[in-house]
Amino acid sequence: QLQLVQSGAEVKKPGASVKVSCKASGYTFRRYGLSWVRQAPGQGLEWMGWISADNGKTNYAQKFQGRVTMTTDTSTSTAYMEMRSLRSDDTAVYYCARAPINTTMIVVATLPDCWGQGTLVTVSS
Amino acid sequence: SYELTQPPSVSVSPGQTARITCSGDAFPKQHAFWYQQKPGQAPVMVIFKDSERPSGIPERFSGSSSGTTVMLTISGVQAEDEADYYCQSADSSDNSLVFGGGTKLTVL
Repeated sequence: QLQLVQSGAEVKKPGASVKVSCKASGYTFRRYGLSWVRQAPGQGLEWMGWISADNGKTNYAQKFQGRVTMTTDTSTSTAYMEMRSLRSDDTAVYYCARAPINTTMIVVATLPDCWGQGTLVTVSS
Repeated sequence: SYELTQPPSVSVSPGQTARITCSGDAFPKQHAFWYQQKPGQAPVMVIFKDSERPSGIPERFSGSSSGTTVMLTISGVQAEDEADYYCQSADSSDNSLVFGGGTKLTVL
């Protein structure tokens, strides 16, 4: 069945980097994109960006440009989201979701929607 | 980019109808999508393209649009519908996606 399995929780110090993985199964990885969404404690959902699993093309939310890098490894059907220069307000649960392959952004998740279980990243000194 | 505005909370009694609005300049040019999120869980899409219901979503969930406002309606609310609901749309000016702030639905 469709499944996205994310890496485990991370605790980082301010200024450090974190790399979250998202391993796909149950579908043809290269036919879709991946969206990344985060949710700070007690807050709403925030779209971070999208990557094509076919050609690695990316589209980042303006807020994260220059600080976030999304990549994929088609040999292992795994997507990665790396964030640098972490701050305390980056503390959040980070989700990946299977997205359309289209480069025109319309929706975060394509149907049937499939999300990772979330990865808690805590940034604290 | 566009902002989507939702009421922070909506409360209804079981069996009643819950209506959650989402307003923004993205509409009606862009489609609306609605997600349900229960505590500790990932979101689940309950409405796509304004008013379509994904397979497996109960018929009591419906969506509508009028001008710059879209609405999620849950008819005959059940206790299991208690969750946070988020609208989502797109901003074609910078090819980005945006979520509303979320609405907490409480079933009294």
